Amino acid sequence: ETGVTQSPTHLIKTRGQQVTLRCSSQSGHNTVSWYQQALGQGPQFIFQYYREEENGRGNFPPRFSGLQFPNYSSELNVNALELDDSALYLCASSRDNQETQYFGPGTRLLVL
Amino acid sequence: RKEVEQDPGPFNVPEGATVAFNCTYSNSASQSFFWYRQDCRKEPKLLMSVYSSGNEDGRFTAQLNRASQYISLLIRDSKLSDSATYLCVVNLISGNTPLVFGKGTRLSVIA
Repeated sequence: ETGVTQSPTHLIKTRGQQVTLRCSSQSGHNTVSWYQQALGQGPQFIFQYYREEENGRGNFPPRFSGLQFPNYSSELNVNALELDDSALYLCASSRDNQETQYFGPGTRLLVL
Repeated sequence: RKEVEQDPGPFNVPEGATVAFNCTYSNSASQSFFWYRQDCRKEPKLLMSVYSSGNEDGRFTAQLNRASQYISLLIRDSKLSDSATYLCVVNLISGNTPLVFGKGTRLSVIA
């Protein structure tokens, strides 16, 4: 196992609601990246946090936001949920200047 | 044009077969290349990095052709346990930067 954990494992929400997903990075890792994987697609980069600062963002609207805490764990918040937000949300942790990103098991979100 | 393109498959092969997956990437500035494996309803896991000189790990061989912007993965002597989706992944800058994934190629190895 990678040592990266995510919670919750599954979540069902309705349109317009807000959701918070959590990720605990591997020990010694200071970078967390979030990805969205829709059914039948590869993961798409949402944003990355490095030492508590956003360090890059993909093509996602501002209603996708995040945080990183001093212990390097991270949250992904999505406001005003839409049906198309239904996906597997993956976080990956890594150490600065290292290429290998270790993925958590993901949170499966269903928006009805 | 998508940044990373793969044949989605599915590839259905008998046990013991050799199967090859191909991938092309659009950004010639890409620096690092990987193959990830993803089992059904699981997270992606790093299978191997890909180097210009080519690299081999047991039954798996990966090749990179920078001039053609092409990456390949060869699996020899396929096992039932190789059944998964194989994701071609590119990193624009070496180091801790976002990964760009292809859609994946699905492999089913049949007894």
